Amino acid sequence: SQKIEQNSEALNIQEGKTATLTCNYTNYSPAYLQWYRQDPGRGPVFLLLIRENEKEKRKERLKVTFDTTLKQSLFHITASQPADSATYLCALCTYNNNDMRFGAGTRLTVKP
Amino acid sequence: KAGVTQTPRYLIKTRGQQVTLSCSPISGHRSVSWYQQTPGQGLQFLFEYFSETQRNKGNFPGRFSGRQFSNSRSEMNVSTLELGDSALYLCASSRGTSGTDTQYFGPGTRLTVL
Repeated sequence: SQKIEQNSEALNIQEGKTATLTCNYTNYSPAYLQWYRQDPGRGPVFLLLIRENEKEKRKERLKVTFDTTLKQSLFHITASQPADSATYLCALCTYNNNDMRFGAGTRLTVKP
Repeated sequence: KAGVTQTPRYLIKTRGQQVTLSCSPISGHRSVSWYQQTPGQGLQFLFEYFSETQRNKGNFPGRFSGRQFSNSRSEMNVSTLELGDSALYLCASSRGTSGTDTQYFGPGTRLTVL
């Protein structure tokens, strides 16, 4: 069955360091992979999308990689700040399907 | 541009009752997707509507149903509520024309079943 796993439930890092979150999937061939941020009590907010033929995407302090051979995406936040503390979700979508499958999320805490 | 709105924000029901949740998408968006979020299962896809037609459906029992109106507003209905239906129900809207379309989520409806 299809599985999407995010490396850990929680990740704690020091302010200024780079946070690296992992999203692995099995029995799935996504055309697109998206990353979302979710704060407590709120809906997820879109951050980045990467296509299957793209290796890397950047947006300000965010970087996403997508390795379809390893079936893995890495999400990096450089120079992390306490305001980056949130739950980060990866989501996979195929070309023709319009249902997105989400990972369980990783709760990131950036300590000052 | 106004964001996605969901009503009500909080709801308490008892087992066996039914409930209807409402979602108003961003103006111009024709796709509305519904998700259930629980601590144990995470975000799970329920169904997606585009131009009043259900385009995709997740793995939920028939007690979960939805519809979309001509103005793209959508409703979700859960009949014969069970304790396990307690969750945050999120809807998301998008243009719906491509898999790359960004989904914009509403704040959710917190349903508690007693």
